[in-house]
Amino acid sequence: EADIYQTPRYLVIGTGKKITLECSQTMGHDKMYWYQQDPGMELHLIHYSYGVNSTEKGDLSSESTVSRIRTEHFPLTLESARPSHTSQYLCASSASGQYNQPQHFGDGTRLSIL
Amino acid sequence: ILNVEQSPQSLHVQEGDSTNFTCSFPSSNFYALHWYRWETAKSPEALFVMTLNGDEKKKGRISATLNTKEGYSYLYIKGSQPEDSATYLCAFLQGNTGKLIFGQGTTLQVKP
Repeated sequence: EADIYQTPRYLVIGTGKKITLECSQTMGHDKMYWYQQDPGMELHLIHYSYGVNSTEKGDLSSESTVSRIRTEHFPLTLESARPSHTSQYLCASSASGQYNQPQHFGDGTRLSIL
Repeated sequence: ILNVEQSPQSLHVQEGDSTNFTCSFPSSNFYALHWYRWETAKSPEALFVMTLNGDEKKKGRISATLNTKEGYSYLYIKGSQPEDSATYLCAFLQGNTGKLIFGQGTTLQVKP
């Protein structure tokens, strides 16, 4: 039962287009994350947020940007898509508190830039 | 640069076999270690979050152990079933930031 939703699931689009990947969660979690995964590789954190109006870049450099205007919503935007942005993007959220909080993941968006 | 290593990279077993895989992580500045199961076309699902040295956790036929002093965790599956086929990810919590460093995963295929 998904409490974190990503749209679209798949997107094939041409170079130069502006893209927004949507992520919403209904659990009231303060912390939200975006990961990027290339085939056969690890999940890499590209953005995270600890609450409204808080965003930070992750360990993997990314040309994408994020915003957190509402607790439940954490969209990711690519201003001008390039073939190098082709990848899978996963959104996750977790509750604040002690270190034992798992992350809850969406189903991901598979992005293909032609 | 923090590194999380998982082995083996992939594993093929017969239904009913028991299996285990390893996650190695930095032994200093430990906060928590996460295990996730990721089935094809689904989202990663949390299995365990382990925080204490010597911790052992169990969920059905799946269990995990943790050694923070030497920096490793084992995941065991007893009597593997085809529905256990998935990629199993471990992730090291980087400080108290909530940021996870993931390993590449172990992909398990269980043949009926």
